[in-house]
Amino acid sequence: DAKTTQPTSMDCAEGRAANLPCNHSTISGNEYVYWYRQIHSQGPQYIIHGLKNNETNEMASLIITEDRKSSTLILPHATLRDTAVYYCIVRVETGFQKLVFGTGTRLLVSP
Amino acid sequence: GAVVSQHPSWVICKSGTSVKIECRSLDFQATTMFWYRQFPKQSLMLMATSNEGSKATYEQGVEKDKFLINHASLTLSTLTVTSAHPEDSSFYICSARDSRNTEAFFGQGTRLTVV
Repeated sequence: DAKTTQPTSMDCAEGRAANLPCNHSTISGNEYVYWYRQIHSQGPQYIIHGLKNNETNEMASLIITEDRKSSTLILPHATLRDTAVYYCIVRVETGFQKLVFGTGTRLLVSP
Repeated sequence: GAVVSQHPSWVICKSGTSVKIECRSLDFQATTMFWYRQFPKQSLMLMATSNEGSKATYEQGVEKDKFLINHASLTLSTLTVTSAHPEDSSFYICSARDSRNTEAFFGQGTRLTVV
């Protein structure tokens, strides 16, 4: 399974963009990068995923480097409700296509 | 996004008893469901994967006779913790994915406390 590396924690001021990095240097060519977040004592929430191209939806943008060895999740205007643990996951594309969670980044958005 | 519902949200049981947790996909057919366990301040740990109508596939180190998984229909999977002990106290979370192999959606989790 491709391993991901994320900073343990990050801080962001409310209203500013939050840029969460993720390294996945051993990613294979057909493996997708998924981002989920978990607010305290809740199940994870899907944010976005991508393969090669940058992606954007109503929640966030995902920037994947050309060599696909790293990516950045961007929350354009962070709010207090974005405080959560953010998980970057490389999905196993064989078998059951499991999502294996790493330790994630604890994002704290402050007023 | 699609909705996955878990029941109960929390449960307290006596040591030695069994507890069943249900996971339902409310608006899609879940061909594959996953069960995770999460201890305080730790990440989610995948326990097992189940496909509808098939036996579950357990991750290494997870006791299949203790954590019984049944995926009887395309909208329901159950996890039964048998002969529960205090060390089984944890947050149990299910996830479901449909046949299009798009993103997986998670339930709200079940907090199990064994006393």
